Amino acid sequence: EVQLVESGGGLVKPGGSLRLSCAASGFIFSSYSMNWVRQAPGKGLEWVSSISSAGTYMYYADSVKGRFTISRDNAKNSLYLRMKSLTAEDTAVYFCARDRVPVGETWFDPWGQGTLVTVSS
Amino acid sequence: SYELTQPPSVSVSPGQTARISCSGDALPQKYVYWYQQKSGQAPVAVIYEDSKRPSGIPERFSGSSSGTMATLTISGAQVEDEADYYCFSTDISGHHRVFGGGTKLAVL
Repeated sequence: EVQLVESGGGLVKPGGSLRLSCAASGFIFSSYSMNWVRQAPGKGLEWVSSISSAGTYMYYADSVKGRFTISRDNAKNSLYLRMKSLTAEDTAVYFCARDRVPVGETWFDPWGQGTLVTVSS
Repeated sequence: SYELTQPPSVSVSPGQTARISCSGDALPQKYVYWYQQKSGQAPVAVIYEDSKRPSGIPERFSGSSSGTMATLTISGAQVEDEADYYCFSTDISGHHRVFGGGTKLAVL
């Protein structure tokens, strides 16, 4: 069974840092691009970042560029999101999601269950 | 940055046809995908590559795209179709993904 499990969320003070993790299983992790998507409370989905299968290429939404860093460890079947200079606007559920197919224009499937990040003093 | 525009809400009676639009400048060159999200759950794709239906998605869900506008159609909407619906695509470079703002569908 293909599964994505996020962890690392929690309460952090404004200006602080946090690292999210996503543990993947049930598929060849190193073959797929991976992604982070977030959803602020009561708001819509927002794409945050993507990383290519080998970790060579990383892309970021303008709202997080320069503050967030996506990375992966294919030996550990794990995806990460390092977040710094956090503000209240970063409060959201963060989802890990896999590209549906290994190559080409595609959508996100499956998704993890999400991990909540709350930025508050 | 690139944006996809959706109406905030759509309301239909059970059995009626619901149509949700999504507009974006790159849609003539890029596929659109549609997600359904029910409260507290991860999104589920109901349409991919403009008009294809993933396995397990009811036939009442269909999609189309023409020019800069895409449409999700739910023919004979059911109460269980009440959810938030998001269109999804990429910018012209293909590197930056984007979600529409979401449409809350009420079936009542």
